[in-house]
Amino acid sequence: KQEVTQIPAALSVPEGENLVLNCSFTDSAIYNLQWFRQDPGKGLTSLLLIQSSQREQTSGRLNASLDKSSGRSTLYIAASQPGDSATYLCAAAFGNQFYFGTGTSLTVIP
Amino acid sequence: EPEVTQTPSHQVTQMGQEVILRCVPISNHLYFYWYRQILGQKVEFLVSFYNNEISEKSEIFDDQFSVERPDGSNFTLKIRSTKLEDSAMYFCASSPTGRVGELFFGEGSRLTVL
Repeated sequence: KQEVTQIPAALSVPEGENLVLNCSFTDSAIYNLQWFRQDPGKGLTSLLLIQSSQREQTSGRLNASLDKSSGRSTLYIAASQPGDSATYLCAAAFGNQFYFGTGTSLTVIP
Repeated sequence: EPEVTQTPSHQVTQMGQEVILRCVPISNHLYFYWYRQILGQKVEFLVSFYNNEISEKSEIFDDQFSVERPDGSNFTLKIRSTKLEDSAMYFCASSPTGRVGELFFGEGSRLTVL
């Protein structure tokens, strides 16, 4: 069974700080990896998608990387803002399923 | 911008009742999914659907669950004889190209079983 884990489970940083969220998976035969944002009681908003042939993707202040050989992905958030406070989930695609991590709850303190 | 829409946003039902959760995927997408998230837990895969049939299902998706695409736009999840442990947020998602494509999620339907 595929396992996707995220550390840390929770993170609190002052506004303006750069931060890294980690996602690890157990199988290098990954099709793609997607990062999502989830606000309390809401759905999942797609942030970035990295195909297995890619090493990174960037969108604004966000940069996601993928290292299949080590089973890792990172989400880098630059110059964090209070509006970035949310839970960040990674999902790895294996076969016809996407497997989700437990998420990192981020709080950016003004 | 196209989006996945789900109804109802919240449903409360008595144990043993049947519920139907509805989803309208993005119109040109071909792959459809249902996931659930029990409060405080991981988002869990239930079922994927392509070309009018189930392409994969998890061990959670037992005989009490069924999915249907009754017309060209709706995608439904039916839960027969609900149990207390079915209380969760149910998310519908769609993708243009399946496992190599980006997943787009709806806002979810919160199911509370009393």
